[in-house]
Amino acid sequence: DAGITQSPRHKVTETGTPVTLRCHQTENHRYMYWYRQDPGHGLRLIHYSYGVKDTDKGEVSDGYSVSRSKTEDFLLTLESATSSQTSVYFCATNDGAGDLNEQFFGPGTRLTVL
Amino acid sequence: QQQVKQSPQSLIVQKGGISIINCAYENTAFDYFPWYQQFPGKGPALLIAIRPDVSEKKEGRFTISFNKSAKQFSLHIMDSQPGDSATYFCAARISGTYKYIFGTGTRLKVLA
Repeated sequence: DAGITQSPRHKVTETGTPVTLRCHQTENHRYMYWYRQDPGHGLRLIHYSYGVKDTDKGEVSDGYSVSRSKTEDFLLTLESATSSQTSVYFCATNDGAGDLNEQFFGPGTRLTVL
Repeated sequence: QQQVKQSPQSLIVQKGGISIINCAYENTAFDYFPWYQQFPGKGPALLIAIRPDVSEKKEGRFTISFNKSAKQFSLHIMDSQPGDSATYFCAARISGTYKYIFGTGTRLKVLA
């Protein structure tokens, strides 16, 4: 494992409430990502970061915001959760070096919005 | 919108058989094509990857075939084993970035 932790691992919340998911890495990787995984849709990129305070939108960024104030932490915020945001969320990192250009994924957070 | 289309959605193979998963992309602005393997309850992990200047890459029982003109690439798993039962995702990296587009996944089951 590349030293990626996600918290919380499971969360149940109600529609309209704010939710923040945290991703923490110990590998000093430059790039960090938030994906959501849904049946029939595979993995879809929400936001990614290419450095501290540098972020960019992915395919499904509406309703989500991110922040990265330190190399090791990447936060995903749902300002007002909706049922359509019920999903499994994965954080990933990439050091951007080497031939493999490998993304390392965290264990995931299962979010249920009632 | 850039897309990567993956098929089949699910696949059942007998032990010792060959598993084949196909992906096709619709935009030429991709420069790297990895495959990820995911076991239930876990995050995906890199399995094998290929660059578009190579037509085939083999690592053990896993082979990627790449057809640049057809914009297609596929994963072949030779001598499939029950331990290969997992979900497989193809992906493509957008050129000049470290952003990836993933396929929708293939759930493989290898029967003992």
